Formats: sequence, structure tokens, C-alpha cells
Amino acid sequence: ETVLTQSPGTLSLSPGERATLSCRASQNVNTNFLAWYQQKPGQAPRLLIFGAFSRATGIPDRFSGSGSGTDFTLSISRLEPEDSAVYYCQHYGSSQYTFGQGTKLEIK
Amino acid sequence: EVQLVQSGAEVKKPGESLKISCKGSGYSFTSYWIGWVRQMPGKGLEWMGIIYPGDSDTRYSPSFQGQVTISADKSISTAYLQWSSLKASDTAMYYCARHGGQLVADYWGQGTLVTVSS
Repeated sequence: ETVLTQSPGTLSLSPGERATLSCRASQNVNTNFLAWYQQKPGQAPRLLIFGAFSRATGIPDRFSGSGSGTDFTLSISRLEPEDSAVYYCQHYGSSQYTFGQGTKLEIK
Repeated sequence: EVQLVQSGAEVKKPGESLKISCKGSGYSFTSYWIGWVRQMPGKGLEWMGIIYPGDSDTRYSPSFQGQVTISADKSISTAYLQWSSLKASDTAMYYCARHGGQLVADYWGQGTLVTVSS
């Protein structure tokens, strides 16, 4: 089973800054099956990025994904107050899905 | 418009059984996997399992295998998650999600809160 470890646990930034969220896998993963989700308090998760790099429908280009092998990154530029949320990476492989433990992004 | 509408909140006692539902609309229900995700209070997301309503092919996370049953009735475009004997530790929000291209969860239900307490 692939374990995903996200860092940092909490990130506190100001509006207009850039956020960099990390997701490290315990073994090489297929980039086709690496995704990122955003979850705001009281809401269901929302798909942001799939295939490591591709934005889901309606996601602004301030959100971008990168990485390969075991190290993946979600970057959010020009932070807005509405970006406050918990962000999860997810991997799919061998009929199993795994989530990272999440990174909480606070916009000061 | 793709929609997944889940059944309402439940309050149950330990040992009771429960079946919650997730009704899909706005797309071909039999052509996409439906997955279930648990979120315990204040915690992260845990993938439980997934079903392909077209042929009822079902896969479970090892952590949930034997603890829950996932099923689907394609005639009414509805997927289910059920327990035969609830425990207090099953208290959580449960989400269903359609898995689209590249098998990512592209549409989510609103969640069903299950509370198990004596």
C-alpha cells in the first residue's frame, strides 16, 4: 500500500502570497493517478487537480500541480481568503485509493 | 447536471444495522464507479471502497473489508453503504463520489452524518 505524507500540517499565509503544499509517496506512483482535493469547513471535498497536473473543470489557473515519482506539489498563487481550506492529495493504484492526511491552509 | 444526493442524517445505537444511500442523476449511472469516503469528526478523508454499478464489481479498502457492504441498484441509480452491527467508532460523515476520467472523484454527494451512541 502506498502511503502519502503531506507537509506542512498547517500553513499560514497572507492574501496575495503563494502557497506550496507537498505530498510525498512511500513509493513511486503513476502520475496519471495523483489528485488533489480541497475541503472547506462543512463542505464535501472538491476535485482540484487530476493526473498530477491537470486542473478540474472550473478550477482557476492560480492552482497548479507538479511533480513525479514520489514527490508532488500543489501550488496556489495570489492567495485569496476563500482559499482557506484543508487540501488532500490522493493516489489510486491496484484498485486501492489512498489519501494523504491533509494540509490546512490558513489565510491570515 | 451531475448530482449525487445522499440520504439524511442518522442516529443509531450500537449493534443496530444501517443502510445509507447515494442517488446519482444527470449522467449514465452504470458507466461510472461510485466510491465511499469516511471522515471521522475533526479528521481526514479515508477511502472505504468503490463499486461499478454496471456489473456490481466492488473493491474494498483492507481497513473496511468485512466491516461494511457496498452495493448498488442500477434500476434506481442508487448506491448504498451498509453496516450490520454499528459501533460507536462508526460515528462519522460519509461521502459518496462519482469517479470519472482517470478514476478521480469528480462529483461528490453532500455527505451523510451517522451518529452511533447509546
